[in-house]
Parts: sequence; C-alpha cells; structure tokens
Amino acid sequence: QLVLTQPPSASASLGASVKLTCTLDSGHNNYAIAWYQQQPEKGPRYLMKVTSDGSHIKGDGIPDRFSGSRSGAERYLTISSLQSEDEADYYCQIWAIGIVVFGGGTKLTVL
Amino acid sequence: EVQLLESGGGLVQPGGSLRLSCTASGFTFTTYAMTWVRRVPGKGLEWVSAISGDSATIFYVDSVKGRFAVSRDNSKNTLFLNMNSLRAEDTATYYCAKYYETWSPPFDHWGQGTLVTVSS
Repeated sequence: QLVLTQPPSASASLGASVKLTCTLDSGHNNYAIAWYQQQPEKGPRYLMKVTSDGSHIKGDGIPDRFSGSRSGAERYLTISSLQSEDEADYYCQIWAIGIVVFGGGTKLTVL
Repeated sequence: EVQLLESGGGLVQPGGSLRLSCTASGFTFTTYAMTWVRRVPGKGLEWVSAISGDSATIFYVDSVKGRFAVSRDNSKNTLFLNMNSLRAEDTATYYCAKYYETWSPPFDHWGQGTLVTVSS
C-alpha cells in the first residue's frame, strides 16, 4: 500500500525559505514522487518530479526558487525567496501500476 | 499551449448520475493517458481514474469502481467521466489532467475543475 505523509501546515516569512516534507512508507522509500501546488480557487499546478536519486525534473515555467531533494524516505520541496503567491496547498504524489496516491497536503502560510 | 477545460458539473441527488467532460487542446491528445482527480471541500486531492491514449487500459480508485466509467473520444479531443449511483461523499471539484509521458505520471497539465454536489 502506497502511503505518503505530509505535515498539515507550515509557515514562513516573506522573503525567507521553507522546506516542505513528504515521507514515503518504508516499502516504497526509493520511489520517485511529484510535487504540486494548488492556490485557492485554482487547479493544481505541477511543480516537479523528484527521482529516486534525488534529482528533480521541473514543470514548464517553474521558477528556480523551487527545488526538490531527498534523504532516505523523505522527499523535500524547498521554496526560497518566498512570495505572497506561494501561499497555497502543496501535495506530493506517488504512483505504481494502476494506482496513484496523493499525500494529505501541506497548507503553506506566508507571514 | 496545453489547455484542459472541464464541464458538466452541477447539483445532483444521491443515487443520481452525471457526465463530466474535459476538452483538450495544444497537444496530441491520442498520445497521452489522461486522468481524473477530485478534491473534496476542506480535504486533499484524491486520484479517481485514468485511461490510456488508446482506451485499452483503464484504472479506478476502489471507492468508485462499478459506479464511475472513464472514456475518451480521440476524434474530438475529449475525455469523459460517467458517474452513476452518486453519493454525498462524491461531492468534490473534479479535475482532468494530462500525463507527463505517454502512460506515466506525473500529471503536467490540469484543468480548472468542475464542481459536483451530491445532495437532496
């Protein structure tokens, strides 16, 4: 069973950096994942795929302020130079044949 | 520019049916698998269904198996989701999305969503 765990909330100040965490279950901790951003009243936006070796493949037009990494079963999304429009829900995603699972999401508040 | 536009949402009674559509443009529709994802109000994203470019392979989340049916018309660049025996817990905004690669996530483009409300 694919399970992703995300803290429900995070906050950081305007102009600062924040590192969001997605934890994979022990049976799938070498899987690639993807990160999405969903701003209020908008459809989700694909940010990047973080591969099993920790490299990331970004979506079209995603600024350099967004980066991805991994450490063991943890996958990270780091947002630097936070802007007000970064206030959104962030989801990680994992997949296997016939199934796709999202984490519960982290609501990011920009102070 | 890739564009996905959902339609067909609305208010429906429990046990009723609804058909969602997603019209695609800006890419070769037949090449890519497509998917439906929903967001229940106040909750997170839930993957619902996926269909390969040639419609030969289809998957569903367990909670909708036997009630929902995904299909596509490649001649019209349109994806569908037929929803039957609707329940209150199906109330959500439904999004269609395109697979990044032919039949491999992630989902690199999304629509704006269509709201389905199941209530008496």
